[in-house]
Amino acid sequence: SAVISQKPSRDICQRGTSLTIQCQVDSQVTMMFWYRQQPGQSLTLIATANQGSEATYESGFVIDKFPISRPNLTFSTLTVSNMSPEDSSIYLCSVAGTSGSSYNEQFFGPGTRLTVL
Amino acid sequence: AQSVTQLGSHVSVSEGALVLLRCNYSSSVPPYLFWYVQYPNQGLQLLLKYTTGATLVKGINGFEAEFKKSETSFHLTKPSAHMSDAAEYFCAVSDVGFQKLVFGTGTRLLVSP
Repeated sequence: SAVISQKPSRDICQRGTSLTIQCQVDSQVTMMFWYRQQPGQSLTLIATANQGSEATYESGFVIDKFPISRPNLTFSTLTVSNMSPEDSSIYLCSVAGTSGSSYNEQFFGPGTRLTVL
Repeated sequence: AQSVTQLGSHVSVSEGALVLLRCNYSSSVPPYLFWYVQYPNQGLQLLLKYTTGATLVKGINGFEAEFKKSETSFHLTKPSAHMSDAAEYFCAVSDVGFQKLVFGTGTRLLVSP
């Protein structure tokens, strides 16, 4: 498995501002993903963070709203841009392809709880 | 497209009773199936997974699940519930060869003394 940390763990932001969330893994991983969990709901995949290239976004999510970076095999960031109250969610980073695990087994970070006022 | 249906947004059991959380999936190709647990204010933890081979899979904390292709089901069970099992449980599916997980809507397990 892998140890995944996210910063910040929570934040309260004003509408119209942006927040960058960091995801750090303690070992190199092949795949990194960003999910959103809206209040009381399930997880929805936002995008796959690709090392050295543009992220792959799921339907309904766009780069201008959720720019993602992945400069190396252990780190990624997700920015939530021009926030509105509808962006209030938990944002989770996950990884796959760690040493000793299959590519289809994902490990999740603790999440970042975002509240937009 | 793949999808997952979890029957029952809430399941209540007494401590010591059998836990049964239902999951049905839809997939056009052989699926990989997962159960995750989420404790309050925490991330997701993998309970167990089915990829290939034995259809009855055992996971952590005494949980197990059985893959039934004919019923397109992957129900999660535990013979005897503990208070510490109270959490949100998510069933998920992915295609063989892909990493994208599609999650069900989750089932909150409530355990009473």
